[in-house]
Amino acid sequence: GENVEQHPSTLSVQEGDSAVIKCTYSDSASNYFPWYKQELGKRPQLIIDIRSNVGEKKDQRIAVTLNKTAKHFSLHITETQPEDSAVYFCAASKAGGGNKLTFGTGTQLKVEL
Amino acid sequence: NAGVTQTPKFRVLKTGQSMTLLCAQDMNHEYMYWYRQDPGMGLRLIHYSVGEGTTAKGEVPDGYNVSRLKKQNFLLGLESAAPSQTSVYFCATMLDAGSYEQYFGPGTRLTVT
Repeated sequence: GENVEQHPSTLSVQEGDSAVIKCTYSDSASNYFPWYKQELGKRPQLIIDIRSNVGEKKDQRIAVTLNKTAKHFSLHITETQPEDSAVYFCAASKAGGGNKLTFGTGTQLKVEL
Repeated sequence: NAGVTQTPKFRVLKTGQSMTLLCAQDMNHEYMYWYRQDPGMGLRLIHYSVGEGTTAKGEVPDGYNVSRLKKQNFLLGLESAAPSQTSVYFCATMLDAGSYEQYFGPGTRLTVT
């Protein structure tokens, strides 16, 4: 089955700096790659996603890049703010078999003032 | 329009007791999923359903059973709870086979002593 690895497990940045979280996946058939943000005690919330026919997608301060050849994708957050502090999860999915998501182990992002 | 709800929010069980977690949705989604979330391990899929009357195993199904008698409800059962089942349980839904975005419920925190 699919295996998703996520790095780093913790990331501390100064407010205003950029943050980058990286994930790799194992199944070349995977074609959907979402990123979820989870605040303490809350449910995961989708913040951005990318399909395999697209190399990059941007939404204001958040961007995701995908390298299908290398089987890795990354989340980029620019001009970080304290409210960006949370746990971020990457995931991968492919069509069929329930469109199941396989999650990475998460990155605790802390934005310091 | 409540979206995805989970009952109960918190529960403490003794080893060997049984319980059922309820996930309810009013979005008319076909697909429903049960995940468990443990520290440092991300979200792992327990069971899922692609429609009323169907269920299938996920990554970590042992010790759990599920039922989807009605489209809007997905039940997760623990027949004989074990301390290893202490976790936060999330339900998620997805529109249909042509979709990828999953919508998460608020979670149930279960402690087995």
